[in-house]
Amino acid sequence: DGGITQSPKYLFRKEGQNVTLSCEQNLNHDAMYWYRQDPGQGLRLIYYSQIVNDFQKGDIAEGYSVSREKKESFPLTVTSAQKNPTAFYLCASRMDRGTGELFFGEGSRLTVL
Amino acid sequence: RKEVEQDPGPFNVPEGATVAFNCTYSNSASQSFFWYRQDCRKEPKLLMSVYSSGNEDGRFTAQLNRASQYISLLIRDSKLSDSATYLCVVNPRGGGATNKLIFGTGTLLAVQP
Repeated sequence: DGGITQSPKYLFRKEGQNVTLSCEQNLNHDAMYWYRQDPGQGLRLIYYSQIVNDFQKGDIAEGYSVSREKKESFPLTVTSAQKNPTAFYLCASRMDRGTGELFFGEGSRLTVL
Repeated sequence: RKEVEQDPGPFNVPEGATVAFNCTYSNSASQSFFWYRQDCRKEPKLLMSVYSSGNEDGRFTAQLNRASQYISLLIRDSKLSDSATYLCVVNPRGGGATNKLIFGTGTLLAVQP
């Protein structure tokens, strides 16, 4: 079945550690996105990528980094520079053109102790 | 003013009731609109797109009012399984991956037996 796979689903880390969240899609979508969701707030865009080897900052990119070496993969690294990293992270993808429907992975819940 | 605003709820309704949610948006040039459903601690999933002429899918009806800059979602004959958070999503411009969808904070619906 086609879809988006995020891992891990749950992650606990100590302050000061970098962590990398995986996102893989087999939908042959060009565009991929990383969002962060906090209680009482809408999804906020961290980074997005339209094509391999290219990505753009979203609204809250500080303290995060990404890479897009393969069309299928768009990992997110939460660095120690991110002041409040505890959140629910959602990866999404969609065709570059079309209705704009986003398909989401199941999310990764990061807790920094 | 927020770009997309929703009443956070919760809306507590009995089974079989009709419930309506509104969502207002600030950018009058916004091109496309969506309702997503998000279950507790899960990823959002597309419920329906919202077209200018209004559209219906079973018990769900979506309407767009460009003059007043709001969209609505009507759920008839509520089921227990409708309990979820409903996210209003606005695309400020036309198609393309560079367009950053704007998410509302969501409206929580709790259908009571």
